[in-house]
Amino acid sequence: SAVISQKPSRDICQRGTSLTIQCQVDSQVTMMFWYRQQPGQSLTLIATANQGSEATYESGFVIDKFPISRPNLTFSTLTVSNMSPEDSSIYLCSVVFAGPETQYFGPGTRLLVL
Amino acid sequence: AQSVTQPDIHITVSEGASLELRCNYSYGATPYLFWYVQSPGQGLQLLLKYFSGDTLVQGIKGFEAEFKRSQSSFNLRKPSVHWSDAAEYFCAVGGANNLFFGTGTRLTVIP
Repeated sequence: SAVISQKPSRDICQRGTSLTIQCQVDSQVTMMFWYRQQPGQSLTLIATANQGSEATYESGFVIDKFPISRPNLTFSTLTVSNMSPEDSSIYLCSVVFAGPETQYFGPGTRLLVL
Repeated sequence: AQSVTQPDIHITVSEGASLELRCNYSYGATPYLFWYVQSPGQGLQLLLKYFSGDTLVQGIKGFEAEFKRSQSSFNLRKPSVHWSDAAEYFCAVGGANNLFFGTGTRLTVIP
C-alpha cells in the first residue's frame, strides 16, 4: 500500500513566524487536501491542493495565511504564516488515489505556537 | 445540508466486551460512509467504508459497520475490544472531494 509522509512530525514555533509542512506520497494521486484539527476537535478542511494552480480554500481560510503549493502529483506543502497560539493544531494532509472515492491521511504535523 | 452526528463523546468499555459506536448522518444523495480511527499521536487510519451493496461491511482490526438507510445510521461494532483499540473514532460521509466528519468518539478500554 502507498505511504503518505509528512514533515515535520511536530514543531514548536514562536508567534509571528511561519512554518512550511510537507506532504509526500510514494505514488501518484488524483487529489490532495489539507486539514486542521484543533485540540480536542474534529477535522476541518482548509483547502484542496490543485496541481499547478492555486489551491481552493474553504470558508474561513485564506491564501495569505495558509499558502499551499502542489508542484506535481505526489507532493504538496502547506505554510502556516504569521503564526499565533490559536494556530496550535494538528495539520493533516489527505490524498485520493485513482479508483474508489476514499481519502487516506498522512500521520499529521503537531504544531505548538508559543 | 450534509452533517454527521456522533452522539457519544466518550465511551468506556472493559477489555473483551463488545462495542458499538453510533453515527447518524444527513446527506442529500446516496452517501459514501467511512469510519476512521486516530490513535494517540497518530494520523487517521481508514477502518472501513460503505459505497453500495451489502449493508454490513467488514473492516480492519475486527471492526464491522452496518448501513441502515431507514435510520440514516452507520454504526461501528466490534464483538470483543482489545486494549489497543483505545483511540478516537471518526465517522465521515461524502466522497473523494467532499468529506464531512463527525466530532468523534473517544474510546477508553479498561482492563
